Amino acid sequence: AQSVTQLGSHVSVSEGALVLLRCNYSSSVPPYLFWYVQYPNQGLQLLLKYTTGATLVKGINGFEAEFKKSETSFHLTKPSAHMSDAAEYFCASDTGRRALTFGSGTRLQVQP
Amino acid sequence: DAGVTQSPTHLIKTRGQQVTLRCSPKSGHDTVSWYQQALGQGPQFIFQYYEEEERQRGNFPDRFSGHQFPNYSSELNVNALLLGDSALYLCASSLLTDPSGNTIYFGEGSWLTVV
Repeated sequence: AQSVTQLGSHVSVSEGALVLLRCNYSSSVPPYLFWYVQYPNQGLQLLLKYTTGATLVKGINGFEAEFKKSETSFHLTKPSAHMSDAAEYFCASDTGRRALTFGSGTRLQVQP
Repeated sequence: DAGVTQSPTHLIKTRGQQVTLRCSPKSGHDTVSWYQQALGQGPQFIFQYYEEEERQRGNFPDRFSGHQFPNYSSELNVNALLLGDSALYLCASSLLTDPSGNTIYFGEGSWLTVV
């Protein structure tokens, strides 16, 4: 069975500071990994995904994530936070069956 | 190119009633999945439809059922509504044999409140 753990339900950073949102996965098979963002009262928008190949994945809005198999991690980073990055972020995994297992989410606050 | 569309956006139902939610997948996609997102939680997988058949199912009771039509659109039905069914219901679409990898797109969701 798969599971996804997001460390920290709330993260607060200053505008311009580094954003680091943590995600660890547990899977019996090599997973596909995703980060989604959810703005208030909206659906989920795909930020980036890892399937195979390069372990450093670049996404939209300046976000990137690195797949580390040895650490079973897929942490999301952005060098410089912007006020518009304030939202809920979800890490998710899939074994290839198109059925996602989500973490519980991390709410990112960006302070001016 | 229209993305995933869902209707209605908001609805209120009474305990014991039945509800139907609708979803049209992104153009070119053939697989539709439904997720339930309770307030303050991550989405949970309900079930998935492909070629008009339920392909896989999460840990949800039989009160939750679905259908996929020949045009790939889908419905989620919930019978005998409970207060705990209040949630955002998200539809996701994908292409089962996606050559670019496993890309899954979500709609804006349908907010269901059970009173």
